[in-house]
Amino acid sequence: DAKTTQPTSMDCAEGRAANLPCNHSTISGNEYVYWYRQIHSQGPQYIIHGLKNNETNEMASLIITEDRKSSTLILPHATLRDTAVYYCIVRLIQGAQKLVFGQGTRLTINP
Amino acid sequence: ETGVTQTPRHLVMGMTNKKSLKCEQHLGHNAMYWYKQSAKKPLELMFVYNFKEQTENNSVPSRFSPECPNSSHLFLHLHTLQPEDSALYLCASSQESVPYYGYTFGSGTRLTVV
Repeated sequence: DAKTTQPTSMDCAEGRAANLPCNHSTISGNEYVYWYRQIHSQGPQYIIHGLKNNETNEMASLIITEDRKSSTLILPHATLRDTAVYYCIVRLIQGAQKLVFGQGTRLTINP
Repeated sequence: ETGVTQTPRHLVMGMTNKKSLKCEQHLGHNAMYWYKQSAKKPLELMFVYNFKEQTENNSVPSRFSPECPNSSHLFLHLHTLQPEDSALYLCASSQESVPYYGYTFGSGTRLTVV
């Protein structure tokens, strides 16, 4: 699996947009970008994934650069419950590809 | 509830005990996984099962023994553990025949070895 690089930690004010960056410069053409988050002492939760187009769902938006070497997860109106570790993972589309987690970004939402 | 249920939620065991962790999913998924998360470390993949067959063992010590009797249930049998095995053990499932699906995780079992 391609490696990803994320900042260790970030802070964001409640009600503001949280923008979490991820670099994946060695991503190959058939790898998706996945985002998960892990709230303290719980299992990781799937947020969103994308290949090359921007994606949006009820939780977040995913912006992928045209060269696919980096992406940004956007939480449009962060709440205190969004405080968690956010993981950016690249993964092959086909087959039983394991999900490999890095250190992630610890996002703290401040009141 | 995520659809993946792990029991027990907390477990304290001595180094000479034998215990088992249980994971159950009713999502119709055909792949199941065990992960270990030690304090302040990333999740580590331990075992992968596809259609009840073990397809990956990431150099896990033999004191951890997985069992997958059917595609809905996964167990992790523990014996003669060490204090450094204390961690959060997470189970996940996925539908690998559909390439776009992510993983669904359970809430984990917090294991303390004394």
